[in-house]
Order: sequence, then structure tokens, then C-alpha cells
Amino acid sequence: AQTVTQSQPEMSVQEAETVTLSCTYDTSENNYYLFWYKQPPSRQMILVIRQEAYKQQNATENRFSVNFQKAAKSFSLKISDSQLGDTAMYFCAFMKHEGETSGSRLTFGEGTQLTVNP
Amino acid sequence: EPEVTQTPSHQVTQMGQEVILRCVPISNHLYFYWYRQILGQKVEFLVSFYNNEISEKSEIFDDQFSVERPDGSNFTLKIRSTKLEDSAMYFCASLIPPNTEAFFGQGTRLTVV
Repeated sequence: AQTVTQSQPEMSVQEAETVTLSCTYDTSENNYYLFWYKQPPSRQMILVIRQEAYKQQNATENRFSVNFQKAAKSFSLKISDSQLGDTAMYFCAFMKHEGETSGSRLTFGEGTQLTVNP
Repeated sequence: EPEVTQTPSHQVTQMGQEVILRCVPISNHLYFYWYRQILGQKVEFLVSFYNNEISEKSEIFDDQFSVERPDGSNFTLKIRSTKLEDSAMYFCASLIPPNTEAFFGQGTRLTVV
């Protein structure tokens, strides 16, 4: 079974600054995907960024980037130039890779509530 | 842009009553999921559905729960006899391999009184 741990229940950052959210996971799988989802006050779950475990290069999406350390089973999210609209709950999630035609479930961490202050 | 839609957005029901939560996944997607989020807690997997049958379920998904895809577009979650502890946000999601992005609906807030 997989577990995902987010040890920071709450974080805050000043607008325009950079913040890093931590995530660790435990798995015996070799092929998997990692995700960061954002849940704003509307409660909608929105994909922020995804990383394939077989790729050594860290994923980036505009102001969002990850630091993926496979040996350490660590997957942190860096948000640069934080904006007020980044205020949300952020969930780290794990998905097994079970083949090109399979759709495995997501296992989520506990979440980190990020507040961006003006 | 295609999206997953869920109805109703909020449902209040009496303990012991049956409730059906409805979802319309993205039309060409193949895998469908229900997740649950009790207020202030993590999002938990309930069940996945593929090719008109359950492909995986969690220990939460007991005999009180069932899923159905009755007409090729809707995907429903039924709770037969609701308990107070079923109060939560229920999210539907869908996915089409090999794309690993699960698209989520906006959720149904279920309140059991």
C-alpha cells in the first residue's frame, strides 16, 4: 500500500515571494506518478503539476515547479512569485503506473493550507 | 473545455435515508471514480469503475455503497442507509489512459442529519 505524508498543515507567504510545500511518500512500486492538486475555497480539485517517476527531470508549469527526489521519496512543490489566487489547500497525491491502458486510483496526503498575504 | 459535472451541489438527508449522487464524466473517458473528503480531512478513494464494473474499491466502500453507470453518460453513487458519518464532500472524477490526469467534478456536499 502507498502512503503520502504532508507534514505542514499550514503555510503562509507574502505576495511575490517563493514558498515550498513538502511531501514524502512510501511505496514499493518502481513506476508511478506524483501530483500536486490545488483545492481553492470553491472545493474544486485542480491539477497543478505532475511528475512521472521514471523521469529524472523535475516538472515545471509556469510559476510551479517540483523537486523530485526518488531515492528519498520526496516530492516538494515550489511556488514562485506567489499570487493571492494561490491561496488554497494543496494536496500531494500518488498514482501507481499499471500500464498504458490502466487508470489507477489516487492516494492523497493530508493537505497543506497555503495562505498568500498581500 | 470538457468538464465533469456533479449534481446536486448540496444534499441534506435524514439518517437512514437513501441518497443518490450523480455525476456526468467527460464523454470519452474510460475510468470513473468516487472520492470522499470529510470536512478538514484528506481526500479518500472510494471506488473506481471501468468497463461497466468496479475495478477497485476501498475498505470504506462497504455494502451500503453502490455505483452504477445506467445510461452510458451518468455515473451514480448510491448510499443505501445514510449515517451521520457519511457527511462529507463527494467528488467524482474521470480519466482516459494513457493520460494520467484525473478530472474532478466540483463535488457534492452531503449533510446527514
